[in-house]
Amino acid sequence: AQSVTQLGSHVSVSEGALVLLRCNYSSSVPPYLFWYVQYPNQGLQLLLKYTTGATLVKGINGFEAEFKKSETSFHLTKPSAHMSDAAEYFCAVKHTGTASKLTFGTGTRLQVTL
Amino acid sequence: DGGITQSPKYLFRKEGQNVTLSCEQNLNHDAMYWYRQDPGQGLRLIYYSQIVNDFQKGDIAEGYSVSREKKESFPLTVTSAQKNPTAFYLCASNERWDTGAFFGQGTRLTVV
Repeated sequence: AQSVTQLGSHVSVSEGALVLLRCNYSSSVPPYLFWYVQYPNQGLQLLLKYTTGATLVKGINGFEAEFKKSETSFHLTKPSAHMSDAAEYFCAVKHTGTASKLTFGTGTRLQVTL
Repeated sequence: DGGITQSPKYLFRKEGQNVTLSCEQNLNHDAMYWYRQDPGQGLRLIYYSQIVNDFQKGDIAEGYSVSREKKESFPLTVTSAQKNPTAFYLCASNERWDTGAFFGQGTRLTVV
């Protein structure tokens, strides 16, 4: 069964610093991988996704992620944090096979300080 | 604009009562999902439906029920059998996985 592990429930960075949010997955076959962002009391918004093809994917708001099969990782990065990036971020993997559904990590809350 | 509408945004329920959360989408998506979100636990799948008049249990279906009589609607009923219903509930839909899933704005349910 597929699963997702997000290392670090809270990450704090200074404005302008690099953002790195970690995600590792377990899957017996190449998965579909997603990063979502959630602002307080709101739904989830898709940041970016990996399905097939190029392993470095770019998303909205300057975020990008790299699919590394050898490390079973899909870490999210942004070169320069902005105060508006403060939110909770979720990594998710799509199940393969007939059960078409997403499994989510437990989330990482990003704090951005001045 | 196309999207997913959840209502109400906030809901209060007395212990022992059933309550129904609404989810409507105008994206023409076949698949719809209900997730429950608790602090520190991420999102857990309650029920999902891949086609009208058919649905499957997710990981935490006990104490919940759903129906899918129309393509655009997937209401969730939280029954009195759900022992800890206070949570944030999210509805989602999708057509193809290479486009990801789209989420509503959520309903926060509180038992008083």
